[in-house]
Formats: sequence, structure tokens, C-alpha cells
Amino acid sequence: DAKTTQPPSMDCAEGRAANLPCNHSTISGNEYVYWYRQIHSQGPQYIIHGLKNNETNEMASLIITEDRKSSTLILPHATLRDTAVYYCIVRVAGINAGNNRKLIWGLGTSLAVNP
Amino acid sequence: NAGVTQTPKFQVLKTGQSMTLQCAQDMNHEYMSWYRQDPGMGLRLIHYSVGAGITDQGEVPNGYNVSRSTTEDFPLRLLSAAPSQTSVYFCAVLSSGNTIYFGEGSWLTVV
Repeated sequence: DAKTTQPPSMDCAEGRAANLPCNHSTISGNEYVYWYRQIHSQGPQYIIHGLKNNETNEMASLIITEDRKSSTLILPHATLRDTAVYYCIVRVAGINAGNNRKLIWGLGTSLAVNP
Repeated sequence: NAGVTQTPKFQVLKTGQSMTLQCAQDMNHEYMSWYRQDPGMGLRLIHYSVGAGITDQGEVPNGYNVSRSTTEDFPLRLLSAAPSQTSVYFCAVLSSGNTIYFGEGSWLTVV
């Protein structure tokens, strides 16, 4: 089973910030938080990842709470092209640790950006 | 999807036929995997490989075989296709920087 919990769907107005939450209350100290998105009929696309500190790149910002039990992906100015399913996963860096090899995915959040 | 090539993109099979979905990567990464995605089910791991000569089962391995003779290629074989295997299949490669790259998907219909 996936170790993260996300709302099944969210709406956002075009031009506004989209804030997508993810709960990972059983996260371990060496597990990273990764975000991917899947636009209809395409393969999932990497967005951002982080361990403890907040992270920002050209696509989004990632805010991780101090206790690391939850995080929020922020799309600062959502566009219609950001309509997609967003996946939050937690995993240890590298592929040599037991179940980390299996890269299990949840159902994600379906974000609809409305004009 | 750069660096991960899946073929074919679309395929229709009759029940009982066999076929192979191809996945090739040009990034020299060790970890490759296959997922299937069905409506309302999300991505489900079929098989994965952590390097040439090493494969292991994921969540839904039944009906599928894999092999990894080279770092570049990770084919997925359906020995006797069934309608339940109608799905979209994605190949994924894990980079040394821990980013997962997906192929563009292969749409398979079994009639």
C-alpha cells in the first residue's frame, strides 16, 4: 500500500495558486518526498522532491512541515495546462533498500484548473 | 520521457496470442520497471529490475514475464494474452539522481 494520503480531486482557478496537500505521517528520517504529475494519456513527469527543507524550482514549490508528516506542492500561477493527476510518494534515496525497490504509487490528486 | 523509448504505442491482440512490449533506455541506469495503469487503479508495478541479469516481481506479476540481458533493454512479455490485460503500460527508469523517467506508454487491447 502507498504510504501517502492525498485528496482525490481539487479545483483551482486559472492564474491562482494551486496548493496540493499530502499526508505521510509514517515517513522515516531518510525518506524523501517526491511529486510527479501525469497529464492525460502521458507518462508521469517529475516535478520536485525534498527531504527536510522547502524546495523551489521552475515548476513548483514544495513545503514540508517541520515534523515531516505532511507536505504541500504549490503551483504559484496555475494554468490550464497544469490540469493533471498529481502524485506524492515517499521513498529512500537509492534502490537497494528492501521495499524501496518496488516504487509503489497511490491514486494521486486530480487537479482541474478552470478558466 | 527523454531517454526512455517504448514500442509499440498501440497494439490489438486476440486472446491467447503472445507479444512483447519493448523498453529501451539510453541513460545507462540500472533500475528499470514496468507498470500498468487502469482507470481508477493508478499505477501498479508489474516487474522491476535493479540491473542486468536481475529481475523481481512487483504487485501484479501474473501473466507477464521479463528478462534483463542488457542494461539498455527491459522487455515485457505476455505469453498468452487475456482481456484482463487490456491496459496502458508504462516503462520507468530510475536515475542515479533518484528521478523516475517514464516512457510514453503502450496502449494494449486484448479482444
